[in-house]
Amino acid sequence: DARVTQTPRHKVTEMGQEVTMRCQPILGHNTVFWYRQTMMQGLELLAYFRNRAPLDDSGMPKDRFSAEMPDATLATLKIQPSEPRDSAVYFCASGRDRRTGYTFGSGTRLTVV
Amino acid sequence: AQKVTQAQTEISVVEKEDVTLDCVYETRDTTYYLFWYKQPPSGELVFLIRRNSFDEQNEISGRYSWNFQKSTSSFNFTITASQVVDSAVYFCALSGGGGGSNYKLTFGKGTLLTVNP
Repeated sequence: DARVTQTPRHKVTEMGQEVTMRCQPILGHNTVFWYRQTMMQGLELLAYFRNRAPLDDSGMPKDRFSAEMPDATLATLKIQPSEPRDSAVYFCASGRDRRTGYTFGSGTRLTVV
Repeated sequence: AQKVTQAQTEISVVEKEDVTLDCVYETRDTTYYLFWYKQPPSGELVFLIRRNSFDEQNEISGRYSWNFQKSTSSFNFTITASQVVDSAVYFCALSGGGGGSNYKLTFGKGTLLTVNP
């Protein structure tokens, strides 16, 4: 089965450091999402792209977060500087459209100490 | 604005019992899509089903069945003869039918299902 690949799986970093998370969407999928999951807030949309163009990043703290798709095979989510409140699981998902559904990656578990 | 409510935070059943997970949604779109995802203890999100707003036919897949009722804005999920492997958090999600930001999935808070042997 095709998979969405996220790296790293786990990341522990110190407050103030830059964190970069990467996602390889499934080949042929033109919609890519970044979600964050915490116990308190559940699954929150941070940003998403369609045909590599950003469509909605309203859920993302703009002062420290940035999301890009440099090409169709790579999406990145950066946090600079990181803070303890950024500790969460970050999921990437891809799909063609709502009619076919979206596939999630295994997530990146980020811990900021 | 779109909203998904999963009123049941946690459910605990004994193996072989049937269990229904409730999902109520809000949207102003006439076309929309509803989803269920499973998150087992390992943490990944597994896609289970998608329905569009024009298709109210209920669906059955093995021990899983889904009841979509537009009149009550509900999309409930039933597991028949539950098994320990069904223990997971189950999420209901909604996506609008238009373009732009309507592609996004709005998730409910999830229901933690524990199936005890």
